[in-house]
Amino acid sequence: IAGITQAPTSQILAAGRRMTLRCTQDMRHNAMYWYRQDLGLGLRLIHYSNTAGTTGKGEVPDGYSVSRANTDDFPLTLASAVPSQTSVYFCASSPGTGNTDTQYFGPGTRLTVL
Amino acid sequence: GQNIDQPTEMTATEGAIVQINCTYQTSGFNGLFWYQQHAGEAPTFLSYNVLDGLEEKGRFSSFLSRSKGYSYLLLKELQMKDSASYLCAAEDSNYQLIWGAGTKLIIKP
Repeated sequence: IAGITQAPTSQILAAGRRMTLRCTQDMRHNAMYWYRQDLGLGLRLIHYSNTAGTTGKGEVPDGYSVSRANTDDFPLTLASAVPSQTSVYFCASSPGTGNTDTQYFGPGTRLTVL
Repeated sequence: GQNIDQPTEMTATEGAIVQINCTYQTSGFNGLFWYQQHAGEAPTFLSYNVLDGLEEKGRFSSFLSRSKGYSYLLLKELQMKDSASYLCAAEDSNYQLIWGAGTKLIIKP
């Protein structure tokens, strides 16, 4: 079934540890995004990629890095996790370059940093 | 700055009609999205409005007024499965989505 997968589903992490959240889509979408969702706040864009080989910073990029080596994969790395990074992380993709097309979301990763 | 406002929570009765409002202030504007998000799940696309007016899609309709910076989502013949959060997102001039915090809709029998 076509779509977006994320791994892990959930994770508890000690502060200071490095963590990579994985995201893979099989819809051949050009654009991909990472959001975090916190209670009482809207989805906030962390990083995005308009096409393979390019990335850009969103609203809240500090403490996070991404890479886009190919069309399908868009991993998000926390170099040294802090408790404020406790959140639900959603990966999304859209067919077109940029944000002009509907975004399709993965199931999310629930991350707790202690 | 950029801002999206929508009510935090609404309650409605099964079979009734409910209107969820959204006002936005963005740097430029290209369009307005509505997404549905059930608890513990990912957001799923409901509608996208570019032009002023009402767009109907089954039990769900979405309205946009660009001059007023205003949109609403209208849900008719409410069903228990419609209990979810409804997210409003405005697309700014850079085609970046600015998201509201979501409106939690509670449906009572």
